[in-house]
Amino acid sequence: SAVISQKPSRDICQRGTSLTIQCQVDSQVTMMFWYRQQPGQSLTLIATANQGSEATYESGFVIDKFPISRPNLTFSTLTVSNMSPEDSSIYLCSVVTSGRRETQYFGPGTRLLVL
Amino acid sequence: AQTVTQSQPEMSVQEAETVTLSCTYDTSENNYYLFWYKQPPSRQMILVIRQEAYKQQNATENRFSVNFQKAAKSFSLKISDSQLGDTAMYFCAFMKRGGSQGNLIFGKGTKLSVKP
Repeated sequence: SAVISQKPSRDICQRGTSLTIQCQVDSQVTMMFWYRQQPGQSLTLIATANQGSEATYESGFVIDKFPISRPNLTFSTLTVSNMSPEDSSIYLCSVVTSGRRETQYFGPGTRLLVL
Repeated sequence: AQTVTQSQPEMSVQEAETVTLSCTYDTSENNYYLFWYKQPPSRQMILVIRQEAYKQQNATENRFSVNFQKAAKSFSLKISDSQLGDTAMYFCAFMKRGGSQGNLIFGKGTKLSVKP
């Protein structure tokens, strides 16, 4: 398994500001992802955080709005830029453990409220 | 593209009884994994059970078991001896095996309430 931490756990932000969310894993992993969960909804993939190269974004998500860094195999950040109330969501990072028992584990999430 | 469908938005069960949550999926892939995740009010996504598509044997984890029907693309979760702590959202998810697309495709979830 993998132990994943996220900071902050929650935040309340003003419209137009930016927030950077950190994700730390207790072991080196190749694949790391960022998801968004809007209120009452399922999880939607924002992007794949690639170590040493630009993140791969899903349709509907762009780098200018959600810049991602992945400086090494245990850490990544997601920034939510120029926030609006529509960005109020839970943001979760996840990792895929490799080997025979490939499994995806999630961090505890960051609950964001934009006023 | 893969899709995952959970047709039961909400379900309830009496404590100590058994409940089955349904999940169907669509894919042209042959090598993949299927998961059930639990999300309690704390919002933490907790892995409940994992199934490898190439294994015919259904996965079990204590009170949780699955009925995996590959040909029918069905992957239901059975919870036996339901406990109050099982109250949560349950998400069915699909993941391709290996390769560069390791992200999960989620269903919309089933809200399970366990009643005393």
